[in-house]
Amino acid sequence: QVQMVESGGGLVKPGGSLRLSCAASGFTFSDYYMYWIRQAPGKGLECIIYVSSSGATIYYADSVRGRFTLSRDNAKNSLYLQMSSLRAEDTAVYYCAREESDLVGAIDSWGQGTLVTVSS
Amino acid sequence: DIQMTQSPSSLSASVGDRVTITCQASQDINNYLNWYQVKPGKAPKLLIYDASNLKPGVPSRFSASGSGTDFSFVISSLQPEDMATYYCQQYENPPYSFGQGTKVDIK
Repeated sequence: QVQMVESGGGLVKPGGSLRLSCAASGFTFSDYYMYWIRQAPGKGLECIIYVSSSGATIYYADSVRGRFTLSRDNAKNSLYLQMSSLRAEDTAVYYCAREESDLVGAIDSWGQGTLVTVSS
Repeated sequence: DIQMTQSPSSLSASVGDRVTITCQASQDINNYLNWYQVKPGKAPKLLIYDASNLKPGVPSRFSASGSGTDFSFVISSLQPEDMATYYCQQYENPPYSFGQGTKVDIK
């Protein structure tokens, strides 16, 4: 079955760095556009990254551009999110999500999420 | 980035009530809008795509309309299983931003 497993979350001080991973299985990873979506405590969903199936095209939300860097390894069915210059407002559960193959923009599955807490 | 303004942030209604949620985009997004239902611990469930098209298998009590910058989503007769948070999402410009969400409770 389709599965995404996020890892790498934890507690980090403001200004620090963290690397998240998303391991996908159960589908042909290289065929799908993928997202990173986050949800801050008590807040709604924020789409922070959208990456093409090849990894050649990556879109960043204004809130993370210049601080977060995505890489995609289709040979390992994985996404990697390098987060630096972290701020308190980056505290959130981070989800790796898959775009439905037939509907642009439509999310059809995501992982269990990994919690990132930025605090001194 | 395109900003999506969704309202209300929460509502409480009785079973059988008609519920309306609105979503406004900061710029013209044509009809490139999705509506999702999100329940705790579950992935978002796509209900509506292209602003007004009901995804196959989704109950017909869900509907939506709009184009350009102003959109609305309706549950014609609220059911207990509809208790969830609903989000609009634009896909005119990536990354595809969401509205702030509307939490729907049953009275």
